[in-house]
Amino acid sequence: AQKVTQAQTEISVVEKEDVTLDCVYETRDTTYYLFWYKQPPSGELVFLIRRNSFDEQNEISGRYSWNFQKSTSSFNFTITASQVVDSAVYFCALSGGGSQGNLIFGKGTKLSVKP
Amino acid sequence: DAGVIQSPRHEVTEMGQEVTLRCKPISGHDYLFWYRQTMMRGLELLIYFNNNVPIDDSGMPEDRFSAKMPNASFSTLKIQPSEPRDSAVYFCASSLSGRGYTFGSGTRLTVV
Repeated sequence: AQKVTQAQTEISVVEKEDVTLDCVYETRDTTYYLFWYKQPPSGELVFLIRRNSFDEQNEISGRYSWNFQKSTSSFNFTITASQVVDSAVYFCALSGGGSQGNLIFGKGTKLSVKP
Repeated sequence: DAGVIQSPRHEVTEMGQEVTLRCKPISGHDYLFWYRQTMMRGLELLIYFNNNVPIDDSGMPEDRFSAKMPNASFSTLKIQPSEPRDSAVYFCASSLSGRGYTFGSGTRLTVV
């Protein structure tokens, strides 16, 4: 069975601090895709990144970076120099190669960035 | 492209009434998904379609829920009769062969 675990339910930081959101996944598929989505207070789900299982290179996009480690089945997300606008719920998600259509979400981590 | 379009944005209805949620996927996408988000259960998949054909409806909670995709540009999720426990945000998403999932803005359903 596929599963995504985000152990951190809520995180609170002060602006300009770095913060890492953890994501651990379980799958038996050899080909799979990992995602991060942001859900701001307005409620929409905003796509941040997609990573396939064969690409373990870390990715950086501005203040955002992602660390994918197959050895530990983790796909962690770091925000550098956090800002108030980063306050949101962040979801990690997994889709398998075998059942490619089904996107499985973690429970989400609520990040609060205080000024 | 306008993205995935859902309507209505908000729906308030009385218990026992029929509710229909609508979704227009991104043109050219071959997968369409219906998700439900609640505080207790998080984001859960209800059903998904591939090329207008339902592939997996195991997440549909009970017979009161039904979904259709009569063509590539339109899908509906119907609840009949509605119950207070159906109150949630319902998201529609579309994808091109699983390469990325674009979500609509959601429909916030309140059943009183």
